[in-house]
Amino acid sequence: AQSVAQPEDQVNVAEGNPLTVKCTYSVSGNPYLFWYVQYPNRGLQFLLKYITGDNLVKGSYGFEAEFNKSQTSFHLKKPSALVSDSALYFCAVRDTNAGKSTFGDGTTLTVKP
Amino acid sequence: NAGVMQNPRHLVRRRGQEARLRCSPVKGHSHVYWYRQLPEEGLKFMVYLQKENIIDESGMPKERFSAEFPKEGPSILRIQQVVRGDSAAYFCASSPPAAHGYTFGSGTRLTVV
Repeated sequence: AQSVAQPEDQVNVAEGNPLTVKCTYSVSGNPYLFWYVQYPNRGLQFLLKYITGDNLVKGSYGFEAEFNKSQTSFHLKKPSALVSDSALYFCAVRDTNAGKSTFGDGTTLTVKP
Repeated sequence: NAGVMQNPRHLVRRRGQEARLRCSPVKGHSHVYWYRQLPEEGLKFMVYLQKENIIDESGMPKERFSAEFPKEGPSILRIQQVVRGDSAAYFCASSPPAAHGYTFGSGTRLTVV
């Protein structure tokens, strides 16, 4: 079984400040981890993934995520938030190369000017 | 280079009618996934298909729902005898047969009246 927890429904930050959106996971094998972003009335867009290798993964729009095996976490980060980053963010996990991903319930990020 | 194409974008059905949702994956992607997103909720996995095969349908309701991905043509998610509780956004995603993130369509928003 695989599961994802996003402990915060909402994250608020001021523009220019660093942001973190938290994610913890549970899988039976090696995790394949993903972050997606969803804007209103749109589908999800892929941001970044961790499969293997360096624990710090860089993705689109200046986002990065840090894989921590001991804490089973994969937090999304950005050094300097933009108002345009305001959206719904989903963490996802799967335990195989291909197959279904399990998504967290999402975290709404609001960046205020 | 078209992304995942879903149609229709919006679909209104009366209770008891059938709903057919179509999904054309990214060219070259052989894996298709269907997810449902209820208002104020996250994405729930429904079914994973490859060409002419259902690989994992563990998220599909036992009755009224079916999915296919024929050798030629789009993937179809079919809901028979719709009820108000079927009202949701249905997202299709595709991926190549490797450890990639998904490419999502813009979704079909089904409203049952």
